[in-house]
Amino acid sequence: QKEVEQNSGPLSVPEGAIASLNCTYSDRVSQSFFWYRQYSGKSPELIMSIYSNGDKEDGRFTAQLNKASQYVSLLIRDSQPSDSATYLCAGVAGGTSYGKLTFGQGTILTVHP
Amino acid sequence: DGGITQSPKYLFRKEGQNVTLSCEQNLNHDAMYWYRQDPGQGLRLIYYSQIVNDFQKGDIAEGYSVSREKKESFPLTVTSAQKNPTAFYLCASSIRESGELFFGEGSRLTVL
Repeated sequence: QKEVEQNSGPLSVPEGAIASLNCTYSDRVSQSFFWYRQYSGKSPELIMSIYSNGDKEDGRFTAQLNKASQYVSLLIRDSQPSDSATYLCAGVAGGTSYGKLTFGQGTILTVHP
Repeated sequence: DGGITQSPKYLFRKEGQNVTLSCEQNLNHDAMYWYRQDPGQGLRLIYYSQIVNDFQKGDIAEGYSVSREKKESFPLTVTSAQKNPTAFYLCASSIRESGELFFGEGSRLTVL
């Protein structure tokens, strides 16, 4: 199993719908999780971080972490065409240094009008 | 404005040449990182540094070298030993005890 694995995508949703992006992880990567958004040809930018079990909401974005199932997700409500991008899930390995992230392969999201 | 500056944005290299990618930050972050991204893939860690004059190998360090002589600067050299250097290179930084990375705009290297 890869340390961080994202649902394969690409994902296409209509404008206004909820986009659901999912990520599973191995035992080694289990401390904290991050969602980055990357527009085509650009660098990633952090949109959500989650450190404990449960939900974390920030505007239209909700991150969910379930450590028992080793599962982390990102929900985007009221999706907009400007949300079209690649979304990268990343985790920090337990006991290692901060910022040494392991990334999933990314999920391409397209929001069509 | 605070941020991370990478240069050059685009670079072409002939096989057998070493090239150095610049990364400068004015965020006063202790930690700096170099990642590589290939098309359709996530990011893979090349090197990272938590403090000046110290750095650690990441998952794919072979064929690369770095230095950290100043807190603000973390240049990456892609040597001729790197077998497949064509990629998008991303420099990032973070404050201590944080996994939240700030990225530069990236450098796209193409080997001719």
